[in-house]
Amino acid sequence: DAGVIQSPRHEVTEMGQEVTLRCKPISGHDYLFWYRQTMMRGLELLIYFNNNVPIDDSGMPEDRFSAKMPNASFSTLKIQPSEPRDSAVYFCASSLRRDNQPQHFGDGTRLSIL
Amino acid sequence: AQSVTQLDSQVPVFEEAPVELRCNYSSSVSVYLFWYVQYPNQGLQLLLKYLSGSTLVKGINGFEAEFNKSQTSFHLRKPSVHISDTAEYFCAVDTGRRALTFGSGTRLQVQP
Repeated sequence: DAGVIQSPRHEVTEMGQEVTLRCKPISGHDYLFWYRQTMMRGLELLIYFNNNVPIDDSGMPEDRFSAKMPNASFSTLKIQPSEPRDSAVYFCASSLRRDNQPQHFGDGTRLSIL
Repeated sequence: AQSVTQLDSQVPVFEEAPVELRCNYSSSVSVYLFWYVQYPNQGLQLLLKYLSGSTLVKGINGFEAEFNKSQTSFHLRKPSVHISDTAEYFCAVDTGRRALTFGSGTRLQVQP
């Protein structure tokens, strides 16, 4: 079975540019999570969705970040405008339920903002 | 709010030696507990989980963990490690109120 698929795997862009990260969850999973991983702050939850509806976006750092889930098989995380401090690895994960079911992670997008 | 503390940022160990990676959590309510492993340039993979029942849980790759409610701990153990176990290990907690809260990670370095 296909796991969580993220694209691109790597993104290098200049500050001020718009960045769009993409995620395809595992079919049938109704929860989707976006995380950011940095050396300084570790793994941080940014936002999660249930049945395509954002449930908790309290981890989104600022208004430059936005996430959407237009359907059950696709989600985007957008940064506009990007800044060097946004450089990190961004992970998408999905699960059947939110609490006692494991989250399945994609391989991440390594984002570098110059 | 819940929090997770992984006491060791790095654990060096020789191949075939036993290892314990420590995890403590704080929460005023019942929790679900997880250990994940991250290999270089990959996402996190579930090792094991504690939901309820037996406090000793077994996971993949020969790992096990013991839930200790009185000490609010969920330490991960393996009796004999291999070079291939070199990775970063994350403990995570879910109280059912919000999504997972992760610890800062422990880098396990297995040396020949």
